[in-house]
Amino acid sequence: NAGVTQTPKFRVLKTGQSMTLLCAQDMNHEYMYWYRQDPGMGLRLIHYSVGEGTTAKGEVPDGYNVSRLKKQNFLLGLESAAPSQTSVYFCASNTGTSGASEQFFGPGTRLTVL
Amino acid sequence: GQNIDQPTEMTATEGAIVQINCTYQTSGFNGLFWYQQHAGEAPTFLSYNVLDGLEEKGRFSSFLSRSKGYSYLLLKELQMKDSASYLCAAMDSNYQLIWGAGTKLIIKP
Repeated sequence: NAGVTQTPKFRVLKTGQSMTLLCAQDMNHEYMYWYRQDPGMGLRLIHYSVGEGTTAKGEVPDGYNVSRLKKQNFLLGLESAAPSQTSVYFCASNTGTSGASEQFFGPGTRLTVL
Repeated sequence: GQNIDQPTEMTATEGAIVQINCTYQTSGFNGLFWYQQHAGEAPTFLSYNVLDGLEEKGRFSSFLSRSKGYSYLLLKELQMKDSASYLCAAMDSNYQLIWGAGTKLIIKP
């Protein structure tokens, strides 16, 4: 099992460009999450999904959109990138059926917006 | 508001014991997680506590006091590979994780 995978691993964008980050999991998890991690701050939830076809806003959703068309995939889109979106983006998944369900993380995408 | 506090950085010696503290304030509480994150890598799960007391798992133990809003991670027999950041996260009433900024642990020989 590959677990949680993310593509791409690195990306440099210019302000105003768009891109999509792809997350895939092969553990049949219902719940999937997108976080961003910035120096000196905790992981911040951008959007999440509790099942195929569903999405919900997290703590910092502005400037991002998501889609969960297939259970195993969760896409994060940046329509018009800004330098403030320079960050490391992590995708995570879990069964979400109880409080004890640990989240499994992908390796991260390092995004720089110039 | 919801908040997690943990020290920014700690230093310890190989073979010693270190305790990393975490205090939390959340809207409701459904458990406390500890994750380990090596530089440039993804967080990986270490422990989960929802009841008061100590949970032991090999060299690592985690403690929770719900009445005090307090947890700690205890690492024994420190090894150089334990150099990493340790993330504390509390689960709120909506089953969302509120994350601390992490404690960078530096192990010296």
